[in-house]
Amino acid sequence: AIQMTQSPSSLSAFVGDRVTITCRASQGIRSDLGWYQVKPGKAPNLLIYAASTLQSGVPSRFSGSGSGTDFTLTISSLQPEDFATYYCQQDYNYPITFGQGTRLEIK
Amino acid sequence: QITLKESGPTLVKPTQTLTLTCTFSGFSLTTYGVSVGWVRQPPGKALEWLALVYWSDGERYNPSLQSRLTITKDTSKNQVVLTMTNMDPADTATYYCARRDSLSPSNHYFDYWGQGSLVTVSS
Repeated sequence: AIQMTQSPSSLSAFVGDRVTITCRASQGIRSDLGWYQVKPGKAPNLLIYAASTLQSGVPSRFSGSGSGTDFTLTISSLQPEDFATYYCQQDYNYPITFGQGTRLEIK
Repeated sequence: QITLKESGPTLVKPTQTLTLTCTFSGFSLTTYGVSVGWVRQPPGKALEWLALVYWSDGERYNPSLQSRLTITKDTSKNQVVLTMTNMDPADTATYYCARRDSLSPSNHYFDYWGQGSLVTVSS
């Protein structure tokens, strides 16, 4: 199985900050990567797919980049509703695998 | 409007079999390219993909749990059912169902999710 490693595991930031989360795959996965936002008690939300394509309805402050093994999710200006846990997911092959998550907290 | 909702027991005993139902609306599992999967999240831990069922009757399982999982669909009821045998306290988690549509722009990613169903395994 392809292992997905996110860093950092947790992150504290202020509203308005720019933050970047990284995700590394244990082997090349082309651009077959998605990012999800998860909040307690709510349905997970697909933010980015194919490494850099913004899902419909997702604010433009979210962006993704990368290909091969190294990927990033950037939030350009944090809003209060962005404090959540973020997961990357590879769709290159089965089994589908997720990163361990990055918890984004308010500083 | 696409919605998915998980239902099932909140508490199961060790060694028992868990049966979870995902009831969805706004799409059909008979449509080419559509699939529904299950993903779980133990408390404080990461998401883990479990299984997937396709419009074409095909199925996929996470090899680490394959021997314990069965996923089925009832297209007349718009439901997908996941059974997991021999439950253990380590299986305590929130279980989500989610849709994929290979003909949508988001392709093979889970674009719609249920809110999840917390299952606790304890005697």
